Amino acid sequence: GAVVSQHPSRVICKSGTSVKIECRSLDFQATTMFWYRQFPKQSLMLMATSNEGSKATYEQGVEKDKFLINHASLTLSTLTVTSAHPEDSSFYICSAEKDSGLEYFGPGTRLTVL
Amino acid sequence: EDKVVQSPLSLVVHEGDTVTLNCSYEVTNFRSLLWYKQEKKAPTFLFMLTSSGIEKKSGRLSSILDKKELFSILNITATQTGDSAVYLCAVRTQGGSEKLVFGKGTKLTVNP
Repeated sequence: GAVVSQHPSRVICKSGTSVKIECRSLDFQATTMFWYRQFPKQSLMLMATSNEGSKATYEQGVEKDKFLINHASLTLSTLTVTSAHPEDSSFYICSAEKDSGLEYFGPGTRLTVL
Repeated sequence: EDKVVQSPLSLVVHEGDTVTLNCSYEVTNFRSLLWYKQEKKAPTFLFMLTSSGIEKKSGRLSSILDKKELFSILNITATQTGDSAVYLCAVRTQGGSEKLVFGKGTKLTVNP
């Protein structure tokens, strides 16, 4: 199997604070990890592609200074939402690509910004 | 712009019914089409399709891809309440920016 974990599963923070979300591939190494955002009743929208040891590639419209991505090892990528605002409240899901080319998804992080 | 369109957006059936979920796509560089099941949390992988006309089957679920007409269907036979979920279709592109482009999903509700 392929297991991907995320931490925390749920976070509530005040407007203006920063929040860090971790994504780990537990039983395989992932050169590439992806970060998605999902609003209620909407589909997953790719935010950025995270490659181990290099800068992340952001999708159009995603602010790289606001959503900081670090992929320091083959099993860990982090997403930091800086100066969070209520409109950043969403469900954030990461995925890790196995060598088969399949993406395995983490359980997601529900972010609520008050 | 790459896009994936799923229909219907929602579907309510009774246990034992058979359902067909549709997915059409328009992408620049197609590599594969994937189906996921999403219950309360993260999507779980169902099928990956790369070739036209070859049906993939797993228990009561099956799927097929038509690369000429740019669509795929996901069939579920003898539905059970545990099949209630959002079913997501995604297309993987290839080339300089490999990524998954998701449809909005079909919310399936199976009533007892």
